[in-house]
Order: sequence, then C-alpha cells, then structure tokens
Amino acid sequence: QQQVKQSPQSLIVQKGGISIINCAYENTAFDYFPWYQQFPGKGPALLIAIRPDVSEKKEGRFTISFNKSAKQFSLHIMDSQPGDSATYFCAASIGQGYSTLTFGKGTMLLVSP
Amino acid sequence: NAGVTQTPKFQVLKTGQSMTLQCAQDMNHNSMYWYRQDPGMGLRLIYYSASEGTTDKGEVPNGYNVSRLNKREFSLRLESAAPSQTSVYFCASSGSRQGLGVYTFGSGTRLTVV
Repeated sequence: QQQVKQSPQSLIVQKGGISIINCAYENTAFDYFPWYQQFPGKGPALLIAIRPDVSEKKEGRFTISFNKSAKQFSLHIMDSQPGDSATYFCAASIGQGYSTLTFGKGTMLLVSP
Repeated sequence: NAGVTQTPKFQVLKTGQSMTLQCAQDMNHNSMYWYRQDPGMGLRLIYYSASEGTTDKGEVPNGYNVSRLNKREFSLRLESAAPSQTSVYFCASSGSRQGLGVYTFGSGTRLTVV
C-alpha cells in the first residue's frame, strides 16, 4: 500500500498553544483523509476528516488544512488543552470502490498545564 | 453500548502456543479489520473482511489467520505464537453507508508472547 508519512513523532505544547501535525501522501488516488485520536488504553476514534474538494475543514478547535498540489494535509489544534494529550493518526483511503485506510505512524501529543 | 467488543483484553502466551482473538460488532457493519499497533510503527493492517464471506490479507498477514464467522464476528488466530507477535491488537469495523474511512475501533487486546 502507498505510504502516508506523518510528522513529528512526538510533540510537546503548552496549554493554550497551537499544536500542528503534518502528513504527506504519494498516491494521488487518495480522496478521503481522516484524523484519528487515541487515548492511552483505548482504541483510535475518528476526530475529523476532509475530502480534497475543500482546502480546510474546521470543527471546534480542530482544523484540517489540505494542500492537494503538495499532497499534504495537516491537523491544527487551537488553544490546546491537557485533555488533548493523546496519539493522533492521519490516514487516507481511495473513495472509489473499496479500499482500506492507510495510517500514518502517529504523533504523541503532550499538552503541558 | 453499541460498538466493537474485543476479547480478551490481556493475554500472555508462551512461544509456540496458539490462541484466537475474538471481535464482535453490533452496528450492522459490512467490513471488519484487524490491526496491530507497535511503538513507532503506527497501525498496521493484518487482515480485513470487506463483507461477510470474504477475507483478504493486509500489510502484515504472516503468522495469522482469520475467520469471518458471520456479519457480526471476525476472529484472528495465532497458530504458533512468536515473540515478534507481542503487540496490541485492534479490531475495527466500518459500514458502507457511513462512508469509507469511518472506522469504529474496539478497545484492544494486549498480547505478550514470552
């Protein structure tokens, strides 16, 4: 499967700051880009997702920015809170027909009080 | 609560032993998946079942077998466990009506092979 590259591997942000996680992909057939959030001891859960027909999607403090020409997308967490401390995974899939999600390797976010 | 249920939550095996990880979903989803999660490696797909009656290999299928018992249940079997299979295993499901990529994950099985 085509790879989705995620960075950074870990991130420490002060409370109230902006957390930014980046992902890049190779397969131009990808057309669905979700982000999953995972708390310790739990399974990942869908946080927010975007399709390439828009450049940005915002849900509360979470925003996905999408750059189709650069084949990159990023997650921004505004006003980061200690409760946002978790591992975040970007992912991608092909919308036509059936395809599985390809996940990035994850970013461990710690928001310090 | 509706969702994906995995059993057991924890397991310790000796090298060479076999075991089956169980997964059941009650959301009437068509597709089910098994992933393993290792530090620094992210989530890697072991096997998946796009619909009842079908199974396919993912990225890391060696050493594993699966059975889609019915629409609700998808089991993962380790025939002869190896220390390299020490990992956290997640089962997930998705429904075609939700759209591709909307996975619901179970809470995981932490497996240690000694």
